[in-house]
Amino acid sequence: GQNIDQPTEMTATEGAIVQINCTYQTSGFNGLFWYQQHAGEAPTFLSYNVLDGLEEKGRFSSFLSRSKGYSYLLLKELQMKDSASYLCAAMDSNYQLIWGAGTKLIIKP
Amino acid sequence: IAGITQAPTSQILAAGRRMTLRCTQDMRHNAMYWYRQDLGLGLRLIHYSNTAGTTGKGEVPDGYSVSRANTDDFPLTLASAVPSQTSVYFCASSDGPADTQYFGPGTRLTVL
Repeated sequence: GQNIDQPTEMTATEGAIVQINCTYQTSGFNGLFWYQQHAGEAPTFLSYNVLDGLEEKGRFSSFLSRSKGYSYLLLKELQMKDSASYLCAAMDSNYQLIWGAGTKLIIKP
Repeated sequence: IAGITQAPTSQILAAGRRMTLRCTQDMRHNAMYWYRQDLGLGLRLIHYSNTAGTTGKGEVPDGYSVSRANTDDFPLTLASAVPSQTSVYFCASSDGPADTQYFGPGTRLTVL
């Protein structure tokens, strides 16, 4: 079956760095997406990886290892506004997104 | 209009009633999607449309129907609502099926 695993909740301190991991099993693979979702709001796109390696975009970076079925989202210089859920989604061979349940990130001052 | 709009924002509905959730996008995206989001679960795809005039079933299509008469609109209909359809419903669109999806603000539906 198809499956995405990510931690349910993480806590980090303002100004620190946090890494949110995601493992996936899909029928075929057409890329890995990360979205941010603040409470009561819609998911918003953060990053897309289809090749192995690290993609950096400001304070956020995303890494992919296709051979390991593994990705992570790295958030640097954490700010209070980064408190949100982070959703990992893998695109399967039918171009459908398989979503993880999300990681709720709590930032403490 | 900028992006994707959904209506209503929230709704309380009696079981057995018919309900249509509306979704409109102005980005001229070809593909559109309906998801439901329930606590502790990932987003689950209900129906999708890769282009105007075509629709397909997602992971959880039972009890829902969609139509795609034009590029901009993608309504989702619950023919006879049941309490298990209580959820937050998100509409999304993308340029093509393999492209990044952008989400509307969501509709919070409660079926009593």
